[in-house]
Amino acid sequence: DGGITQSPKYLFRKEGQNVTLSCEQNLNHDAMYWYRQDPGQGLRLIYYSQIVNDFQKGDIAEGYSVSREKKESFPLTVTSAQKNPTAFYLCASIRQLNTEAFFGQGTRLTVV
Amino acid sequence: GESVGLHLPTLSVQEGDNSIINCAYSNSASDYFIWYKQESGKGPQFIIDIRSNMDKRQGQRVTVLLNKTVKHLSLQIAATQPGDSAVYFCAEINYDKVIFGPGTSLSVIP
Repeated sequence: DGGITQSPKYLFRKEGQNVTLSCEQNLNHDAMYWYRQDPGQGLRLIYYSQIVNDFQKGDIAEGYSVSREKKESFPLTVTSAQKNPTAFYLCASIRQLNTEAFFGQGTRLTVV
Repeated sequence: GESVGLHLPTLSVQEGDNSIINCAYSNSASDYFIWYKQESGKGPQFIIDIRSNMDKRQGQRVTVLLNKTVKHLSLQIAATQPGDSAVYFCAEINYDKVIFGPGTSLSVIP
């Protein structure tokens, strides 16, 4: 079945460590997105990528990094520079401009 | 117009009543709009969409209304059921950007 897979579902990180969240899609979608969601709040855009080897900062990119080496994959690294990384992270993709965004099931990151 | 981390407004509705969830969008040039439903701990799921050349679209128990004059979207859910309890987001698609509204938490009272 086609879809977007985020892994892991739950992730714990010690302060000062970098951690990478995986997002893979087999929908042949060009554009991919990372959002952050805090409890009881909306979605905020971290980074997005329209094509392989290209990506753009969203509204809250500080403390995060991404890569887009393959069309199917858009991993997000939460670096130690991110002061408050505990949140729910959502990955999405769209087939082409002005079409529906499909979401993964999210990764809940907790800093311990 | 982007979600800026405000706490979600909530709407409580009696089971069987109709629900109306509202959303203001930011960019008059946005061409495509979607309503998503998000259950706790899960990713958002598509409910219904509408393009800017329409002002109303109906699905099964759901209707989306678009008022471009005031940049306003609404989602109407008929005969609300307990399974409709979730957070609802509107999204505006503007070229390559997907911008979400702050969301509304719908609670259905049995």
